[in-house]
Amino acid sequence: KAGVTQTPRYLIKTRGQQVTLSCSPISGHRSVSWYQQTPGQGLQFLFEYFSETQRNKGNFPGRFSGRQFSNSRSEMNVSTLELGDSALYLCASSSEGGFSGANVLTFGAGSRLTVL
Amino acid sequence: SQKIEQNSEALNIQEGKTATLTCNYTNYSPAYLQWYRQDPGRGPVFLLLIRENEKEKRKERLKVTFDTTLKQSLFHITASQPADSATYLCALSPIGRRALTFGSGTRLQVQP
Repeated sequence: KAGVTQTPRYLIKTRGQQVTLSCSPISGHRSVSWYQQTPGQGLQFLFEYFSETQRNKGNFPGRFSGRQFSNSRSEMNVSTLELGDSALYLCASSSEGGFSGANVLTFGAGSRLTVL
Repeated sequence: SQKIEQNSEALNIQEGKTATLTCNYTNYSPAYLQWYRQDPGRGPVFLLLIRENEKEKRKERLKVTFDTTLKQSLFHITASQPADSATYLCALSPIGRRALTFGSGTRLQVQP
């Protein structure tokens, strides 16, 4: 069973540019969550999508957006990049079942974004 | 405010000993608590989930306890090995909430 695939793995952008990251969840998983990980803040929740609908959102500015397609693949976009956006962006998928707290997340390897 | 606290200092132990990591939380009433392992440059990997009505959960050399009165979970690795060296994250999701919130993690270093 293929795991969660994130592309690209590494990318370098300059301030003011925008970036799009892609995530393919495990087959059959309909929930996709995005997290930002930095040394200072740890893992911060960005948003979660389920059946193409944003179901949950963290405390990030509107420059951070995402979407989910009918095949459950998801993309996130960051516009007008700032230096502080440099981070590891992690995507995780889960099967929907029961209470959300019991849903185990399967993470991808992440996309390492460096903003210069 | 809601907080999940894990010891930010690295835990260094000798191979064969038991490692114990702590996760404390405030202003949460979680129904579940999860533990993940993360290796450098990789995404976290799920290890164990424990429910609020469970005191203890075991999986091979791993043991997790969950004390909702103390608002604390302990994660134990018995007979630790150098391959257990990694960062361990606790995560919880309060009742009715959907976002899994993570602690900052504790780095474990097992010396051979």
